[in-house]
Amino acid sequence: RKEVEQDPGPFNVPEGATVAFNCTYSNSASQSFFWYRQDCRKEPKLLMSVYSSGNEDGRFTAQLNRASQYISLLIRDSKLSDSATYLCVVEKGGTSYGKLTFGQGTILTVHP
Amino acid sequence: NAGVTQTPKFQVLKTGQSMTLQCAQDMNHNSMYWYRQDPGMGLRLIYYSASEGTTDKGEVPNGYNVSRLNKREFSLRLESAAPSQTSVYFCASRANSGAFFGQGTRLTVV
Repeated sequence: RKEVEQDPGPFNVPEGATVAFNCTYSNSASQSFFWYRQDCRKEPKLLMSVYSSGNEDGRFTAQLNRASQYISLLIRDSKLSDSATYLCVVEKGGTSYGKLTFGQGTILTVHP
Repeated sequence: NAGVTQTPKFQVLKTGQSMTLQCAQDMNHNSMYWYRQDPGMGLRLIYYSASEGTTDKGEVPNGYNVSRLNKREFSLRLESAAPSQTSVYFCASRANSGAFFGQGTRLTVV
């Protein structure tokens, strides 16, 4: 089983739609969680951290479920500019920052 | 504020040649990483450095060596390049809020 698994997609949605991505992780000792977005032929860029209490940034909401070992990302009112690959990242922490493990990514295409 | 800077951006090597990919960050971060990204494979960790003077293997370290020269710089060396090392290489450094990436090096080994 992979350490981090994501819905492979691709997701094709119209502008204005709500779309959700899920990601599961296998290591229960994982401490930190993130969502990144990556545009074609560009570097990954941090979208948001994911906290146990959930967090929201504008149209984006991230949730963590430690009991079931998954994280989610919800995008509301999708824009054309949201088209990208979304990467789930998990870190097993400790006294210092540890290895960041990436999922394979979910491709999102938002169409007019 | 440059963030994470990688050089070169593009490189073509012949099989058996060696080269060093350079990475520098100006954010005073302790942790730095090297990843490779191949189509359909996502980002895979090659090596990481939790702090100056320490390095650890990641998921795919074979064929690579690293040097954490100082807090700012973390280099990746290919001693004898192979076609299987054709990839996009990303360096990153870690802040409290997450990791920040350089623009990548596109390496082709022929």
